[in-house]
Amino acid sequence: QKEVEQDPGPLSVPEGAIVSLNCTYSNSAFQYFMWYRQYSRKGPELLMYTYSSGNKEDGRFTAQVDKSSKYISLFIRDSQPSDSATYLCAMSGVGGSQGNLIFGKGTKLSVKP
Amino acid sequence: NAGVMQNPRHLVRRRGQEARLRCSPMKGHSHVYWYRQLPEEGLKFMVYLQKENIIDESGMPKERFSAEFPKEGPSILRIQQVVRGDSAAYFCASSLLTDSYEQYFGPGTRLTVT
Repeated sequence: QKEVEQDPGPLSVPEGAIVSLNCTYSNSAFQYFMWYRQYSRKGPELLMYTYSSGNKEDGRFTAQVDKSSKYISLFIRDSQPSDSATYLCAMSGVGGSQGNLIFGKGTKLSVKP
Repeated sequence: NAGVMQNPRHLVRRRGQEARLRCSPMKGHSHVYWYRQLPEEGLKFMVYLQKENIIDESGMPKERFSAEFPKEGPSILRIQQVVRGDSAAYFCASSLLTDSYEQYFGPGTRLTVT
């Protein structure tokens, strides 16, 4: 079992739709949870980060962490064609290390006009 | 440009040659992390460095790979005697705080070994 599982997609939605992206993980020691966006042939861009369980909202983006289920989500409201990218979840905190990020493989999202 | 800078953006090496990848962190950041992204794979942590110190190299292959972050100048990831399996995108990230999950990535260096 991989430490972090993420459905690779691709996921295709119409413009304006609500998008739900998810990751599951196996290591209960993870404490920090991040979402990155990566456009084709570019570096990952940090979107949001949360510590432990709960919700965090930033504009059209909402991140949720459910540690009891080992499940994290990213919701995108009113999706735009410019949101088309690969979304990576990442986690850290094992052994007290915050900086050693464990990534999912990424979900490729396409938002159609 | 205050972002993380990496060069070269593309690097082609023949098997057996050496590859040197450079990373300049964001202004004010003194912590650097290297990751490798193999085709169809997720990003994998390789090493975490502070100025003149390797803090965590748990993800570095035991042979042929080394990293440094000197007092002056960029961080360098060096791969000796490259093999085809080293072909990948190598990303550098930097952070303001020590051992931080809040990392900012550069555009990557795409290494192709022929």
